[in-house]
Amino acid sequence: DTGVSQDPRHKITKRGQNVTFRCDPISEHNRLYWYRQTLGQGPEFLTYFQNEAQLEKSRLLSDRFSAERPKGSFSTLEIQRTEQGDSAMYLCASSGRDRGFMGTDTQYFGPGTRLTVL
Amino acid sequence: RKEVEQDPGPFNVPEGATVAFNCTYSNSASQSFFWYRQDCRKEPKLLMSVYSSGNEDGRFTAQLNRASQYISLLIRDSKLSDSATYLCVVNPDSWGKLQFGAGTQVVVTP
Repeated sequence: DTGVSQDPRHKITKRGQNVTFRCDPISEHNRLYWYRQTLGQGPEFLTYFQNEAQLEKSRLLSDRFSAERPKGSFSTLEIQRTEQGDSAMYLCASSGRDRGFMGTDTQYFGPGTRLTVL
Repeated sequence: RKEVEQDPGPFNVPEGATVAFNCTYSNSASQSFFWYRQDCRKEPKLLMSVYSSGNEDGRFTAQLNRASQYISLLIRDSKLSDSATYLCVVNPDSWGKLQFGAGTQVVVTP
């Protein structure tokens, strides 16, 4: 499978615990994105990397959240001291310049990690 | 005001019928536009990009109206498998974060 993969697919944790999610992008893609989606809403942008550089962070990304992409390949998203409001689907997407598209950059999503904080 | 707004639906559509719905976006400088499809508890999947001149992909037609800042999607000859949530997506730049609407639910009935 050459798509975006995420691990774990499901995570149940108790409030106050730390969790870490992993995303492996499509291999030739240099851009990687994290989004969060809650029930009945569209995905909301959290942060994005170009290679290993974190270029943008949303205000949604509080101090308890940190993301890394140390070698410009896979990325991790860590949430410290989880709260019940962190329960959501965490989606990773990757992109590279699509051939034939004029200036567009199509993002392909992984299956997501569903986090439940008890 | 949300950056991308959609009618949540549901749009209940008989099999074989045509359904159309819109979304509006607030940033007039937005560069690129997409429709993604999302099935229940699954990830969003790209349905089609939306070009300024409008474009068609099989039974799906997308239109962009920059002056009025809205995007539309039309589905002809609806199939049961078209039942899903359709996410209107705007990219303010040519790359970078996507801004999603909350989605329009379409339910195709036999």
